[in-house]
Amino acid sequence: GAVVSQHPSWVICKSGTSVKIECRSLDFQATTMFWYRQFPKQSLMLMATSNEGSKATYEQGVEKDKFLINHASLTLSTLTVTSAHPEDSSFYICSVIQTGGSSPLHFGNGTRLTVT
Amino acid sequence: KNQVEQSPQSLIILEGKNCTLQCNYTVSPFSNLRWYKQDTGRGPVSLTIMTFSENTKSNGRYTATLDADTKQSSLHITASQLSDSASYICVVSHPMFSGGYNKLIFGAGTRLAVHP
Repeated sequence: GAVVSQHPSWVICKSGTSVKIECRSLDFQATTMFWYRQFPKQSLMLMATSNEGSKATYEQGVEKDKFLINHASLTLSTLTVTSAHPEDSSFYICSVIQTGGSSPLHFGNGTRLTVT
Repeated sequence: KNQVEQSPQSLIILEGKNCTLQCNYTVSPFSNLRWYKQDTGRGPVSLTIMTFSENTKSNGRYTATLDADTKQSSLHITASQLSDSASYICVVSHPMFSGGYNKLIFGAGTRLAVHP
């Protein structure tokens, strides 16, 4: 069964609105979760590392004020795309590291965001 | 620079045929090399994981090889099925000495289409 649950699987929103995406670790506690972005026919690009109880670490070029990450518990991280624009339309995927592990292994099924 | 390159970019084969996908990497040091299958609109699913000392690993009709000296890996698919149509992504896990976790370096993937 699924180890990582991501919700919603797809969302359409209007420009200027905010969208929240959830990533849940179902089978184990995850101190660290990762958020990726994938454009069509391209590979996954790491956006940020979400750490439970502390601030997220963002990759270079990713606006932390636009992509808000909250990791309030050991099983849930959320990514909020604020003031969305059409260029934010993409496929967003999360992955998790099991507490005590060193490599993210399991990925969520992704969220297709379309901003109109 | 740590990079993962895959070839070919895309491949079309007939059902029942075999195929081999290639992955070359420059990531150093590395913890492990994985092959993932990603169906369209879905998150990646792990096929194989190999550490530095492993040369080959199988998962059903999928067989991965690793040559750590030449930094090359391959994924061989035997007796292809229509359901094998997907993107296959080579991912190298790179130890991050700060943060305590490994960073995943993704290849761009090979898009495989299996035709009847």
